[in-house]
Amino acid sequence: KNEVEQSPQNLTAQEGEFITINCSYSVGISALHWLQQHPGGGIVSLFMLSSGKKKHGRLIATINIQEKHSSLHITASHPRDSAVYICAVRGGGSNYKLTFGKGTLLTVNP
Amino acid sequence: ETGVTQTPRHLVMGMTNKKSLKCEQHLGHNAMYWYKQSAKKPLELMFVYSLEERVENNSVPSRFSPECPNSSHLFLHLHTLQPEDSALYLCASSQETGWAYGYTFGSGTRLTVV
Repeated sequence: KNEVEQSPQNLTAQEGEFITINCSYSVGISALHWLQQHPGGGIVSLFMLSSGKKKHGRLIATINIQEKHSSLHITASHPRDSAVYICAVRGGGSNYKLTFGKGTLLTVNP
Repeated sequence: ETGVTQTPRHLVMGMTNKKSLKCEQHLGHNAMYWYKQSAKKPLELMFVYSLEERVENNSVPSRFSPECPNSSHLFLHLHTLQPEDSALYLCASSQETGWAYGYTFGSGTRLTVV
């Protein structure tokens, strides 16, 4: 079992729909990252969270440290949001390693 | 462009070849990373450099040899690779290696070993 589990694995939505992608982890963490990967391969960092909630445009990320769970929400989804969304967690101290989920493939149809 | 530039974008090499991947950042970051992304698998950390010193080698075979001549450049030297080494190789950088710093990723090099 991967230390970072994402759900769903695949998600298809119609333009304008509200999207939620979930991430659960089993280890203690210092920070959680949400990343976006487009078909070309490049990765863009969306959020880094250690508590609470962050918002950037139509994207909202939340984290519940006690429940070891984070969600990424996309409001008013658009076809250009189609990408793989990846959750990654960082342990504390001198552990440099990010542990990644397998990603959620989001397809938004016009 | 994210500020982290990787070249080449695509590379096809034979198992007996020697090639190098290059990563460059001018963000003033002190830490640089190599990650491997194989098909249907999560990203895996390969190497971490902090101020040109390797601080993490995540059990990577010796046929992968990293080099960090200065804090702006990172190379991954490849020799006698196997077909299972075909993957997307991603470079990333961060201000420091501490957990509070975010990452900037490059666009990756798609490597095919034939």
